[in-house]
Amino acid sequence: AQSVTQLDSQVPVFEEAPVELRCNYSSSVSVYLFWYVQYPNQGLQLLLKYLSGSTLVKGINGFEAEFNKSQTSFHLRKPSVHISDTAEYFCAVSANTGGFKTIFGAGTRLFVKA
Amino acid sequence: EAQVTQNPRYLITVTGKKLTVTCSQNMNHEYMSWYRQDPGLGLRQIYYSMNVEVTDKGDVPEGYKVSRKEKRNFPLILESPSPNQTSLYFCASRFGGDGYGYTFGSGTRLTVV
Repeated sequence: AQSVTQLDSQVPVFEEAPVELRCNYSSSVSVYLFWYVQYPNQGLQLLLKYLSGSTLVKGINGFEAEFNKSQTSFHLRKPSVHISDTAEYFCAVSANTGGFKTIFGAGTRLFVKA
Repeated sequence: EAQVTQNPRYLITVTGKKLTVTCSQNMNHEYMSWYRQDPGLGLRQIYYSMNVEVTDKGDVPEGYKVSRKEKRNFPLILESPSPNQTSLYFCASRFGGDGYGYTFGSGTRLTVV
């Protein structure tokens, strides 16, 4: 079985500062990893995903994430945030074994201050 | 436009009154799923469907039913809603492989009084 832990429930940051949202996972098999963003009163949107290959994955809106197999982590980063990045971010994992199951973390609320 | 459409967006109902939340997707996705979102718990899977007439329980299926008679539709049925089913519900769909990301609907905020 897989599990996902998002280490911070809330992250306040000033506009134009860098940010890192942390995600650790556990799994006994190889996994696919995802980050989603949820803006207020909306559904989730896929930001980026890691399937295989290069461990640095670039997504939409200037976000990127790095897969670290030894640390079992998939942290999300952005070098300079905007007010419009204020949202909730979810890390998710699915096993690449055809199990059709995706496990979501509890979410991290990013609050960008002017 | 490729999308997942849920209805209604908001619903207030009374305990025990059967209700259905509809979900439809126009992307020919095989896989559809229902999640509920509660503060501090993230998204928990209720039911999923791998294709027409193929459904299975997720992590929190008690009190819910689903059906998949057509590929595009995946309604969620609460036969006798209770206050602990007050939540934000999301329908999502994707192609069949685990490496595909989901497309989510806009959500249904359900309050059971």
